[in-house]
Order: sequence, then structure tokens, then C-alpha cells
Amino acid sequence: AQSVTQLGSHVSVSEGALVLLRCNYSSSVPPYLFWYVQYPNQGLQLLLKYTTGATLVKGINGFEAEFKKSETSFHLTKPSAHMSDAAEYFCAVSDTGGYQKVTFGTGTKLQVIP
Amino acid sequence: DAGVIQSPRHEVTEMGQEVTLRCKPISGHNSLFWYRQTMMRGLELLIYFNNNVPIDDSGMPEDRFSAKMPNASFSTLKIQPSEPRDSAVYFCASTSLGTAVFYGYTFGSGTRLTVV
Repeated sequence: AQSVTQLGSHVSVSEGALVLLRCNYSSSVPPYLFWYVQYPNQGLQLLLKYTTGATLVKGINGFEAEFKKSETSFHLTKPSAHMSDAAEYFCAVSDTGGYQKVTFGTGTKLQVIP
Repeated sequence: DAGVIQSPRHEVTEMGQEVTLRCKPISGHNSLFWYRQTMMRGLELLIYFNNNVPIDDSGMPEDRFSAKMPNASFSTLKIQPSEPRDSAVYFCASTSLGTAVFYGYTFGSGTRLTVV
């Protein structure tokens, strides 16, 4: 069974500082990996995804993530935090065949301090 | 495209009443998922459909919960009778499976259900 572990349910950064949200996955087959963002009272929005090819993936709003197979990690980064980045972020994994059921992590709430 | 459309956005009902949540997936998507989100349990997959057929309903918590997808453009999640512990935000998501590239899910804005 596949799963993801997000380290830290809450992360606080200063405006302009580096954002690093950690995600480790477990999958018996090569995975698809995703990061979603959820703003208050809204649904989840896809930030970026890794399927195949380049391991450094760029997403919306200046976020990027790197797939590291040796470390089974898919950490999300942004060089400079903005107040509008305050939200909850979910890492997710799916297998590459069948019904591609997606399993979500427990989420990390990002607080940006002015 | 208008995205995944859920209705109502908010629902307040009394314990014991029937509740029906509705979802219209993105046109052309062939798979639909119902999730429940609570502070305690996070995001839970309740059921998903592929080509209007229920594939896995193992996440449906009890027989009080049922879901249907009568056609490619509409799905319902029904709770009968409702209980206070059903209070949560219910999300619908859709995607296309079986294509060369998997784009992930597109989520609706959710229905916030409060059972009093």
C-alpha cells in the first residue's frame, strides 16, 4: 500500500524566507507524486506534480519540488515566502496503473509571519 | 470550463434528517471521487466511480451513507439518517483515467455539513 508522511503539521516562516515543506512517500511501484494547496474555505488546488522525466518539478506561485528516489522524498520549496502563501499544503501519492487512487498526507499548515 | 461544481456550499440539518450532496464533474472526466475532511481524521476517501460505476466504496463509514452516479455529469452522496458526527466538509473531485498522462484530481469547493 502506498502512503505519504508529511513532517510537521505546522510550519512558520518569515515573509521573504525560504519555505521548505517535507514529504516522504512509500510505494511499491514507481509513483506519481503531487502537492496540493488548500486556502481557507476552499477546495484543494493542484500546485505541481511529478509523473516521469525531470525530477525537479516547477509549479504555480513559484513553488517547486524535487523527486529523490534514493531518499523517497518529494519536498516542496519556495525561495521567498509571501503572505499569500499562508495555507494548508498536502502531499499525495498515487500508483501509475489501475485506477490511480491518490493517497493524501495529513497536511502541513504554513504560517507566514510579516 | 466551470470546474467541479458542488451544491450546496453549506448545509445545516437536524439529526435524523436525510442529507443529499451533489456534484457535477468536469465535462469529459471519467472518474469521480468523494472525500470527507475533518480536523480529527483529515482527508478520507469515501467512494470513487469510474465510467459511472462504483469501484471502491470501502471508505463509506456506515450503511447510512450511499452514493450514486446515474450519468457522467452528476453524482450524489446521501446520508440517511444524519448524525452530529457526520459534520464535516465533503469534497468531490474528478479526473480522467486511462489517458497517457495523469493530471491529478480537480476538486470542487466542498459542502460544509453541520448536523445539529
